[in-house]
Amino acid sequence: SAVISQKPSRDICQRGTSLTIQCQVDSQVTMMFWYRQQPGQSLTLIATANQGSEATYESGFVIDKFPISRPNLTFSTLTVSNMSPEDSSIYLCSVVLFQGQETQYFGPGTRLLVL
Amino acid sequence: AQTVTQSQPEMSVQEAETVTLSCTYDTSENNYYLFWYKQPPSRQMILVIRQEAYKQQNATENRFSVNFQKAAKSFSLKISDSQLGDTAMYFCAFMKPTGTASKLTFGTGTRLQVTL
Repeated sequence: SAVISQKPSRDICQRGTSLTIQCQVDSQVTMMFWYRQQPGQSLTLIATANQGSEATYESGFVIDKFPISRPNLTFSTLTVSNMSPEDSSIYLCSVVLFQGQETQYFGPGTRLLVL
Repeated sequence: AQTVTQSQPEMSVQEAETVTLSCTYDTSENNYYLFWYKQPPSRQMILVIRQEAYKQQNATENRFSVNFQKAAKSFSLKISDSQLGDTAMYFCAFMKPTGTASKLTFGTGTRLQVTL
């Protein structure tokens, strides 16, 4: 496995503001993903963070609301833009360590509360 | 699209006993992967066990084992000798490998409480 960290671990934000969440891995990985877990719900994939190119978004998620960067093979950011209380969730990044392995390992998550 | 169903929202088991969590899925694919993840109150998603669909042998990891029935599209998790630290939400997940973007589809989860 790998050591995956996320910053911040939690935050309370005002509506209309934006928050950038960082995901750092201690080794180079092939694939990175961002998930959202709304209160009491399961995980939903937001997007795949592609290194050196634009992220691939799932249905219902758009780049203007959730811009993603992945400047290298160990780091990615997710921004939650123009937040509303409905964005209150846990945001998790996950990684696939190498091609062909397929298992995803998750970071500790960022708990976001929007007032 | 793939769907994953966990029909048991909550379960309880006494310490040292055995419990089985159910999961069914729907897919037309022949090659895929199945996973069980554990999410304790800390919210960290922890991989418990993984099964490749092409393998007939059921996966085992220490006290955790699965009963994989491909024809029935069933993937249950058995926890033996339950411990208090097993208290968590358990999510079943399906993955169809697509080469560049292998998406996980999760079930709704089963909350397991291990009691003394």
